[in-house]
Amino acid sequence: DAKTTQPTSMDCAEGRAANLPCNHSTISGNEYVYWYRQIHSQGPQYIIHGLKNNETNEMASLIITEDRKSSTLILPHATLRDTAVYYCIVRTRNSGNTPLVFGKGTRLSVIA
Amino acid sequence: NAGVTQTPKFQVLKTGQSMTLQCAQDMNHEYMSWYRQDPGMGLRLIHYSVGAGITDQGEVPNGYNVSRSTTEDFPLRLLSAAPSQTSVYFCASSYAPGQYNEQFFGPGTRLTVL
Repeated sequence: DAKTTQPTSMDCAEGRAANLPCNHSTISGNEYVYWYRQIHSQGPQYIIHGLKNNETNEMASLIITEDRKSSTLILPHATLRDTAVYYCIVRTRNSGNTPLVFGKGTRLSVIA
Repeated sequence: NAGVTQTPKFQVLKTGQSMTLQCAQDMNHEYMSWYRQDPGMGLRLIHYSVGAGITDQGEVPNGYNVSRSTTEDFPLRLLSAAPSQTSVYFCASSYAPGQYNEQFFGPGTRLTVL
């Protein structure tokens, strides 16, 4: 699985959009970008994933650059409950035999 | 569905004691795994299983044993607890290989070894 690079921490004002970047310059053609988050003291939670098209669900939007070397997770209207560590993970969709590898992620603090 | 459940939620052990952390899922997932998370750190994989009867080592397997006799259960055994094993332990599961592999995590077990 390709390696990812994320900022260590970010702040966001409540009600504003939170844009979390991720670099994955060595991504290969069959690798997907996945995002998880971990709210304090809880288990990680899946957010969204994508291959090359932008994706949106009830939690977030995922914007992947055309060359697929980077992506941005967007929380459109951040709330205090979105304060968490966000993990960007790149892996093939059929990687069920291989474990999910978490880096250190980005600690997002949503401020009132 | 209860999802992924873990017991106990909290545990305190003395050095040298053994215990088993329980993990169960009711989603008929083939893939299960155990992670540990130390303060301020990311998750590190201990052991994983791609199906009943099959287990493999992750990044930090020493001091831990696993078995997978059923699809539903994946217990983690600490053979002789050490203070270095003080951590939060998370169990996760996902669908069979080749399918959409979102992983579902349990609530965690907080273990302290004195």
